Amino acid sequence: DAKTTQPTSMDCAEGRAANLPCNHSTISGNEYVYWYRQIHSQGPQYIIHGLKNNETNEMASLIITEDRKSSTLILPHATLRDTAVYYCIAWNRDDKIIFGKGTRLHILP
Amino acid sequence: DTGVSQNPRHKITKRGQNVTFRCDPISEHNRLYWYRQTLGQGPEFLTYFQNEAQLEKSRLLSDRFSAERPKGSFSTLEIQRTEQGDSAMYLCASSFPGEDKQYFGPGTRLTVT
Repeated sequence: DAKTTQPTSMDCAEGRAANLPCNHSTISGNEYVYWYRQIHSQGPQYIIHGLKNNETNEMASLIITEDRKSSTLILPHATLRDTAVYYCIAWNRDDKIIFGKGTRLHILP
Repeated sequence: DTGVSQNPRHKITKRGQNVTFRCDPISEHNRLYWYRQTLGQGPEFLTYFQNEAQLEKSRLLSDRFSAERPKGSFSTLEIQRTEQGDSAMYLCASSFPGEDKQYFGPGTRLTVT
């Protein structure tokens, strides 16, 4: 079973920030939080990852709570091309990745 | 394009036939992964290689499935005596030494009739 729980779907207006939550209350100390997304009919695409500090790159920001039991992926200015399924994964390199069902994000024009 | 490539992109086969898929990872990526994805589900891990060595196999990989990476570059996934339950998207991913993020290919969609 996936080690993370995410809402099944979310809507966000185009141009607004999309905030995608993820719970990982049983995360181990050596597991990173990874986010991938999958646009329809494509393979998953890496977005960002972090251990305990907040991270930002050109695609998104990742906010991890101090107790590491949850995190939020932020897409600062969502566009229609951000419509996808977003997967939150708790993973360390010595284990296989377990994807859950993810959050289906709809960006509304 | 220097991303991960997979061939064919689509395969329709009759039950009982054998099929083989190919994955070409990004050059110099030493790890290669295979996943299976059914409709509405996230990808499920099947197996992974580090160079030519197959290091882990999921119990999803029945005896009818075999994967190879003979020279540590491209990989093949063969399914023998296909069943309708094998219908899925088969995804390949690769990663660079020391880097954990995986780069996925576009997948091969298998339909077993």
